Amino acid sequence: GAVVSQHPSRVICKSGTSVKIECRSLDFQATTMFWYRQFPKQSLMLMATSNEGSKATYEQGVEKDKFLINHASLTLSTLTVTSAHPEDSSFYICSARGGGGTETQYFGPGTRLLVL
Amino acid sequence: AQSVTQPDIHITVSEGASLELRCNYSYGATPYLFWYVQSPGQGLQLLLKYFSGDTLVQGIKGFEAEFKRSQSSFNLRKPSVHWSDAAEYFCAVAPGGGNKLTFGTGTQLKVEL
Repeated sequence: GAVVSQHPSRVICKSGTSVKIECRSLDFQATTMFWYRQFPKQSLMLMATSNEGSKATYEQGVEKDKFLINHASLTLSTLTVTSAHPEDSSFYICSARGGGGTETQYFGPGTRLLVL
Repeated sequence: AQSVTQPDIHITVSEGASLELRCNYSYGATPYLFWYVQSPGQGLQLLLKYFSGDTLVQGIKGFEAEFKRSQSSFNLRKPSVHWSDAAEYFCAVAPGGGNKLTFGTGTQLKVEL
């Protein structure tokens, strides 16, 4: 149980284009989903927290117009990197947390984004 | 603000040897504590967690961790390491009842055959 998927696993795009990454909880309802960014050989940095049906809460320094987050259902959240630039190249990981007071986050396999 | 320290960036052990990965946290109260493992190019897998109760918690893959309030530590241990345990290990904390996880910088484990 508690499986989270991400799609795509890898994406290469041209500078200036937008890229959408999907995060799905496969066997539970995720009231809260989180988006992280991980640079090579570094830890995870929380970008934003999204609750189903609400606007995402962004961490300080994260541009909300650059990284659009939609949590339209209890099993799906999307992160859209708009007008991507090479500095947006990174490993993006989502996590999902169910309701009922559980505090455990379950992580997706990550998406490697390369912007040329 | 809460913080997590993993003092060892790299650790190398021989297969079959015991392992201890250190984690210290800074927080006003007892937070929720987690250990995750990440293989190259992969997401994070939960090894174990501590919320309350017995301070020695058992996890998957033969790992265990002990919460020591007096030392603000939550060290991860395994009695006998397998080559497949080579990966990056992250300690994380969350305030009780809170959303956000704060991660340590990670410890890269290398296993020598």
